[in-house]
Order: sequence, then structure tokens, then C-alpha cells
Amino acid sequence: DIQMTQSPSSLSASVGDRVTITCQASQDITNYLNWYQHKPGKAPKLLIHDVSNLEAGVPSRFSGGGSGTLFTLTINSLQPEDIATYYCQQYDNILPLTFGGGTKLEIK
Amino acid sequence: QVQLQESGPGLVKPSQTLSLTCTVSGGSMKSGNFYWTWIRQNPGKGLEWIGYIHWSGETHYNPSLKSRVMISLDTSASQISLNLRSVTAADTAVYFCARDGGSVAPNAFDIWGQGTMVTVSS
Repeated sequence: DIQMTQSPSSLSASVGDRVTITCQASQDITNYLNWYQHKPGKAPKLLIHDVSNLEAGVPSRFSGGGSGTLFTLTINSLQPEDIATYYCQQYDNILPLTFGGGTKLEIK
Repeated sequence: QVQLQESGPGLVKPSQTLSLTCTVSGGSMKSGNFYWTWIRQNPGKGLEWIGYIHWSGETHYNPSLKSRVMISLDTSASQISLNLRSVTAADTAVYFCARDGGSVAPNAFDIWGQGTMVTVSS
């Protein structure tokens, strides 16, 4: 299985801060990387597919980057509604699809 | 707009079979090149992909669950089913059904159900 390691596992930041979450794959996954936002009691929400493609309706303060084994999710100007756990997910040709362990984002 | 809704028992005894249904509304299961998926989240843990099925019947499963899991679909009833045999406490989780983005965003799950909690306990 391809292991996805997210860092940090938790993060506390202030409103207006720029926040970056990192996801590292155990092997090259090219650009087969998606990001989700998950709030308690809700369904996960797809934010970005294929590294940097923002889903319709997702605020432009969210952006994704990277390639190969190292990827980032950046939130510019953190807002209170961004409080959630964020997951990366790879879908390289080798099954199973796997998720990172999650990054829990809190407001200071 | 396509919507998904999971249903099934919230409590299953150890060694029995967990059976869940996901009902699709607002669209046809046969349109597009979509994979209909089950994903779970154990309490306090991250997300785990269980497997998915294409409307053609093609299935793919997580190797860690492959010996116990079956996903099927009933297009006439617009439902996807999950059966997980010989469950243990480790199968206690919130179970989500989801759909990927098809040809536009393969293997990116852009539509999800709300999830259903299943507890394995005697």
C-alpha cells in the first residue's frame, strides 16, 4: 500500500493566518492527489482534485501544490469556518486508495 | 443534483454480517463513468477506503478487507449495497457511501452521503 503521511497532525492558528498542511507519499504518485475537508458530524467535502484543481464553490483562499511524493494544502487568510480536519488522498494505479492520517485545524 | 443516503442497522453482533444500503437520488447510476464507493471512519481515526463498483459491475476492493467484503448495485432500485462478513469490534465505524468525479475527476469523491454509524457489539 502507498502510505500517506500528513503533517502536522494538529495545528492551531489565528484568523487571517496563512496555514500550510503537508502530505508525503511513500512513493511517487505523480499528481494523483486529492484534498478533503471534514467537519464533525458531516460528510467529507472534496476541496481539490489532482493536486491543484479547486472544486466549484470552494473559496479561492484554498490552494494545492506539489508533485511526486510531496504535496501541500495552503489556506490563505484562515477563516473561522475553516475549522475542520483535512485529509489528503492518493489514487495511484496501485490499489488500495489511501488517505493521510488527517490534520486537525483549530483556531487560537 | 445527485444525493446519497446510507441506511442499515446501527448494531451488529460479532461474527455476523454487516449490511448497508446507499440510495441514490437525483440522477441515474448508469450515466457517466462513475465509481460508487464505500469509505469508513473508525472512531477517532482517519478515513479508510473499502471498495467501489462501476455501474457495469466492475468492482475493486481494499486488499485488507477483500476476503470479507462484497459491494453490489441494483440500478433499478438506485441502490449500492455493502456486505461485510465476520465482523469484529474493529469494524465499528461510520460508513459513508460516495461517488467519484467520473471522467472529470476520477477517484476524487465529490458526492457523499451523511454517513451511518455501525457498532459491532454483543
